Amino acid sequence: NAGVMQNPRHLVRRRGQEARLRCSPMKGHSHVYWYRQLPEEGLKFMVYLQKENIIDESGMPKERFSAEFPKEGPSILRIQQVVRGDSAAYFCASSPQTSGRSGEQFFGPGTRLTVL
Amino acid sequence: AQSVTQLGSHVSVSEGALVLLRCNYSSSVPPYLFWYVQYPNQGLQLLLKYTSAATLVKGINGFEAEFKKSETSFHLTKPSAHMSDAAEYFCAVSSLMNYGGATNKLIFGTGTLLAVQP
Repeated sequence: NAGVMQNPRHLVRRRGQEARLRCSPMKGHSHVYWYRQLPEEGLKFMVYLQKENIIDESGMPKERFSAEFPKEGPSILRIQQVVRGDSAAYFCASSPQTSGRSGEQFFGPGTRLTVL
Repeated sequence: AQSVTQLGSHVSVSEGALVLLRCNYSSSVPPYLFWYVQYPNQGLQLLLKYTSAATLVKGINGFEAEFKKSETSFHLTKPSAHMSDAAEYFCAVSSLMNYGGATNKLIFGTGTLLAVQP
């Protein structure tokens, strides 16, 4: 059973460009979470999605960032008009529907975004 | 609001020595607590979790953690460090909000980088 897949693993963008980060959850998992890890910091929650629904986006910056988890295909985290401060590692995690608050989230290897 | 504090951003131990990584939490309800490990350029791997059953939790790779409500702590220990334990360790608490039973967001500490000296 493949784990959480993220691509690309490394992404380089120039200021003003768009970044698209993809996450395929583990088979059978219908809940996806995105976290951002800035240099020298811990992971910060960004958004929690279920298929076709955004459940909690309280950690998303108000502008330029969006996320989706369509019925078919991977979850996408989109960053428009990137700035240098967006440089970070972005991690996706997934969990099965019935895991509850005590359940484990399974993390992908991350996408490391560098903005030049 | 819930929060996690990890004391000591860098910890260095000798191979074979005791590993102690500290984590204190703040929560107005019984917490669910996790320790994750991150190896360089990799994702996070769950070491162990506390879910209100036994207060002493055993995890993978010989690690264990003890939940102490009176001290609001969940420190991670390992009796004898191996070189392969060198990594970054994150303590996390699961958030309060409940969306129909689904897992919720994790609130992480800032991490502790463990170095193991030969």
